[in-house]
Amino acid sequence: AQTVTQSQPEMSVQEAETVTLSCTYDTSESNYYLFWYKQPPSRQMILVIRQEAYKQQNATENRFSVNFQKAAKSFSLKISDSQLGDTAMYFCAFKPHVNAGGTSYGKLTFGQGTILTVHP
Amino acid sequence: SAVISQKPSRDICQRGTSLTIQCQVDSQVTMMFWYRQQPGQSLTLIATANQGSEATYESGFVIDKFPISRPNLTFSTLTVSNMSPEDSSIYLCSGRLAGNTGELFFGEGSRLTVL
Repeated sequence: AQTVTQSQPEMSVQEAETVTLSCTYDTSESNYYLFWYKQPPSRQMILVIRQEAYKQQNATENRFSVNFQKAAKSFSLKISDSQLGDTAMYFCAFKPHVNAGGTSYGKLTFGQGTILTVHP
Repeated sequence: SAVISQKPSRDICQRGTSLTIQCQVDSQVTMMFWYRQQPGQSLTLIATANQGSEATYESGFVIDKFPISRPNLTFSTLTVSNMSPEDSSIYLCSGRLAGNTGELFFGEGSRLTVL
């Protein structure tokens, strides 16, 4: 079974600064996907960024980028030029490329979440 | 992408009653999932909603308590049966598009409070 660990329950950052959220995972799979999701106080989860394990290049989406260290099983999210609208709970999630034999094919495993507050 | 609509968005229920949550997707999704989330906490998968057949439940969740239907590719319901205060939670519907590289799209959630 896979596990995802986010060791930072809460983080805060000043507007326009940079913050990094940590995520580690444990798996015996060699090919998989990793995600960062954002859940603002309005509740709807939205995808921030996705990384495919077979790609060595770190994914980037505008102000969001990841540092994917496959050997270390680490997947951190960096938010540059933080904005007030970035205030949310952030979840790291894992999905094996093929969930062989699983009863819930393709399910995501989520970390515990990190509450990020951006201060003006 | 996909837009997922859930209703009700919130409800207050009496102990012992049942409530059905509806989930409508604007695109044909290959897979639909139901999650439960306590406020401020992570998501726990309840079950995978299978089109035209019985849902696949995770450990700790049973069909009698959480019956799920999925009559077609764009619609699913989750019923929380014989509710107790411990069922107070946010219930989230999610879906994955065909050919998608794995991410899920989520509804806004249904916040249930059981008195």
